[in-house]
Amino acid sequence: AQSVTQPDIHITVSEGASLELRCNYSYGATPYLFWYVQSPGQGLQLLLKYFSGDTLVQGIKGFEAEFKRSQSSFNLRKPSVHWSDAAEYFCAVGLNTGNQFYFGTGTSLTVIP
Amino acid sequence: ETGVTQTPRHLVMGMTNKKSLKCEQHLGHNAMYWYKQSAKKPLELMFVYSLEERVENNSVPSRFSPECPNSSHLFLHLHTLQPEDSALYLCASSQDNLGYGEQFFGPGTRLTVL
Repeated sequence: AQSVTQPDIHITVSEGASLELRCNYSYGATPYLFWYVQSPGQGLQLLLKYFSGDTLVQGIKGFEAEFKRSQSSFNLRKPSVHWSDAAEYFCAVGLNTGNQFYFGTGTSLTVIP
Repeated sequence: ETGVTQTPRHLVMGMTNKKSLKCEQHLGHNAMYWYKQSAKKPLELMFVYSLEERVENNSVPSRFSPECPNSSHLFLHLHTLQPEDSALYLCASSQDNLGYGEQFFGPGTRLTVL
């Protein structure tokens, strides 16, 4: 069965520090990969996505993610975290058959001054 | 209004009540979705509509009944719910229902079943 794993439930980083959020997926083929962010009381907003081509993708708000086929991973990174980045982050996959999307359980990010 | 809107934002209902959640998208998209978000669990895709036709129903109990009267509106009718149905219900839309499309989410309806 398809699944998305985000092993870190909660991460705390200092403002200005670098950030990496982990995501692993289980699927027979290469799915479409996404990272979304959810602020309190808000819906999810797309940060970036990967379909094919360059395995390092750039997103909004200074985020980037790298697809590693051999590790079935799609980790999200940011070189310098801002206090406004505190939110819940979700990794997701979309199947190339359509009509199915799988999300991870999310990683809650706290940013300390 | 822009984007995806959902009403009501909060709903408290008893197990014998009947209520409906409403979603409206102002993006001209052809696909709409209902998700359930519970604490400590992944978002669960409940229903997918493409061009007003239901194309996916992920084993959702019949006490949840979706309706898509046109490509801009999506409803979730609720009846005889259980306390475990308490969750945040998110609506989303995308240009089409293919797996590579960005989904745009509404803010959700926080549902509490007493």
